[in-house]
Amino acid sequence: QKEVEQNSGPLSVPEGAIASLNCTYSDRVSQSFFWYRQYSGKSPELIMSIYSNGDKEDGRFTAQLNKASQYVSLLIRDSQPSDSATYLCAVLREYGNKLVFGAGTILRVKS
Amino acid sequence: GAVVSQHPSWVICKSGTSVKIECRSLDFQATTMFWYRQFPKQSLMLMATSNEGSKATYEQGVEKDKFLINHASLTLSTLTVTSAHPEDSSFYICSAFILPRSTDTQYFGPGTRLTVL
Repeated sequence: QKEVEQNSGPLSVPEGAIASLNCTYSDRVSQSFFWYRQYSGKSPELIMSIYSNGDKEDGRFTAQLNKASQYVSLLIRDSQPSDSATYLCAVLREYGNKLVFGAGTILRVKS
Repeated sequence: GAVVSQHPSWVICKSGTSVKIECRSLDFQATTMFWYRQFPKQSLMLMATSNEGSKATYEQGVEKDKFLINHASLTLSTLTVTSAHPEDSSFYICSAFILPRSTDTQYFGPGTRLTVL
């Protein structure tokens, strides 16, 4: 079992729709979770971090965390073509402060 | 926000040569930096953790004699790919936590694309 699992996609949504990205993790003691966006040929940029169960909203983005189910999600409202990218879920290992990344989900927003 | 720079942004070299990649924290100190590698259409894989003033710790399967890491100051870590081969062609990215550390957020450099001919 991979430490962090994501559906590779691609996930295609029409412009203006809500994109829902999901991630599960295996290390039950993990406390810190991140969503990064990566455009082709570029390094990842942080979208959201979340540490507590529930929802965290920042503009068009909402991260959701359920530690009991070991599940993290990212919702993107009013999706724009510029949101088309690979979205990486990352979990911070408790020991060594190491980030473990999922394989990433490709999101395509069609105008 | 915190800025991490990398140099060069891309490099092409011949097989058998060595290549040095620099990672700098521009407006903060970083006692620990991380080096990742990303092959096409794959995710980031942690290669090693660079510690200022001490030896780097390498992930399982990463050859420490091939990927030399030096973290000589609080703002600079270098990764040297020795005797590079075509299979070392990849996107190398560094990251760091801001000190003093108040969050678990790592900031990533822009990456260095290495092509070995």
